[in-house]
Amino acid sequence: AQRVTQPEKLLSVFKGAPVELKCNYSYSGSPELFWYVQYSRQRLQLLLRHISRESIKGFTADLNKGETSFHLKKPFAQEEDSAMYYCALRGDSGGYQKVTFGTGTKLQVIP
Amino acid sequence: GAVVSQHPSRVICKSGTSVKIECRSLDFQATTMFWYRQFPKKSLMLMATSNEGSKATYEQGVEKDKFLINHASLTLSTLTVTSAHPEDSSFYICSARDRDFPTNEKLFFGSGTQLSVL
Repeated sequence: AQRVTQPEKLLSVFKGAPVELKCNYSYSGSPELFWYVQYSRQRLQLLLRHISRESIKGFTADLNKGETSFHLKKPFAQEEDSAMYYCALRGDSGGYQKVTFGTGTKLQVIP
Repeated sequence: GAVVSQHPSRVICKSGTSVKIECRSLDFQATTMFWYRQFPKKSLMLMATSNEGSKATYEQGVEKDKFLINHASLTLSTLTVTSAHPEDSSFYICSARDRDFPTNEKLFFGSGTQLSVL
């Protein structure tokens, strides 16, 4: 079974402060991890994926297999970062791939 | 960019009626579409994986006869909630994977359907 845990429902930070959205996962195989973001009144969209090791909008995330974590980080929060963030894991299940999402963390950047 | 259109965005129906939700990929062909439901303050729960031209694969605990999925073309998948009851009230979201990038982890999401069963 694959599981994704996002312990924080709400994270409030001041503009310019560092941000870390926590994500832990449980999966027996080699996972593929992603972060999705949903801005107000917009649909979910992919923010970044661990295999590309890219930085989108200043966000980064490193897969830590030892700690089974994939925390999302940004050194300086901006107001436009306020959104709902979902961590997701893609893995094999019974011969096909499925994506499991965490419960999401609402990031609120205070001006 | 790729767009997935989901319709309707909101539906209110009486208990016992059936509701159909459509999910269309507008500018790409999707061999695989996924259906999720989300209860308030809960995560997106995968209900089923819909493959074009074949039967959908349902997740454990999801009733096949209750949630009928049809994926008759490369651009359209439908979810029909049959004999809806108040406990089926939820937010339903579809997503699609581009056929030309079968291993592409990018999922394109619909805007969701809020179903309220009275």
